Amino acid sequence: EPEVTQTPSHQVTQMGQEVILRCVPISNHLYFYWYRQILGQKVEFLVSFYNNEISEKSEIFDDQFSVERPDGSNFTLKIRSTKLEDSAMYFCASSAQGAYGAEAFFGQGTRLTVV
Amino acid sequence: SQKIEQNSEALNIQEGKTATLTCNYTNYSPAYLQWYRQDPGRGPVFLLLIRENEKEKRKERLKVTFDTTLKQSLFHITASQPADSATYLCALPNSGYSTLTFGKGTMLLVSP
Repeated sequence: EPEVTQTPSHQVTQMGQEVILRCVPISNHLYFYWYRQILGQKVEFLVSFYNNEISEKSEIFDDQFSVERPDGSNFTLKIRSTKLEDSAMYFCASSAQGAYGAEAFFGQGTRLTVV
Repeated sequence: SQKIEQNSEALNIQEGKTATLTCNYTNYSPAYLQWYRQDPGRGPVFLLLIRENEKEKRKERLKVTFDTTLKQSLFHITASQPADSATYLCALPNSGYSTLTFGKGTMLLVSP
């Protein structure tokens, strides 16, 4: 069964450093998302991406965040200068039809720990 | 923006019983609603989608209802098993249908 893969599974970084989280969405999907989940809290939307551009972003997704689809398969989330409060699980997701009723397939997540 | 309420207390039931989880939302009624399962340290896994014109949807031991008047969805697992123990998330699209908003989820614990 096709799946969304994320790397690394766990990333520890020092405050102020840049991190890049990587995702390989399901190959025929057109809509890509990043969500995050702080420990014990709900899954929160960060950004959606379609047709090589951001279609929507949340208040969380400020100037320190950026996304890119550098080639036909990878989808990355960059956090330019990490803060302690960026520590969370980051989930990549993809779907075939966007939020118009299609299920979202989530990766297993990258646990980011900022120290 | 949509506010989604799920019972934050864990639901403890015995194996074989039916589990019923509730999702209430406060603003506009969306065209559909989704339920996901999340295991500790893992990503959400899609279970069911129900549309506004569907009162009820079933998949194996799962049943979902959607009442747009009450602004509520109920999620049932019949003949529950310990393997059903997980957190169940309700998700609704935003008003622009460009993303999903998740509830905090309800943890279900099924004991043998």
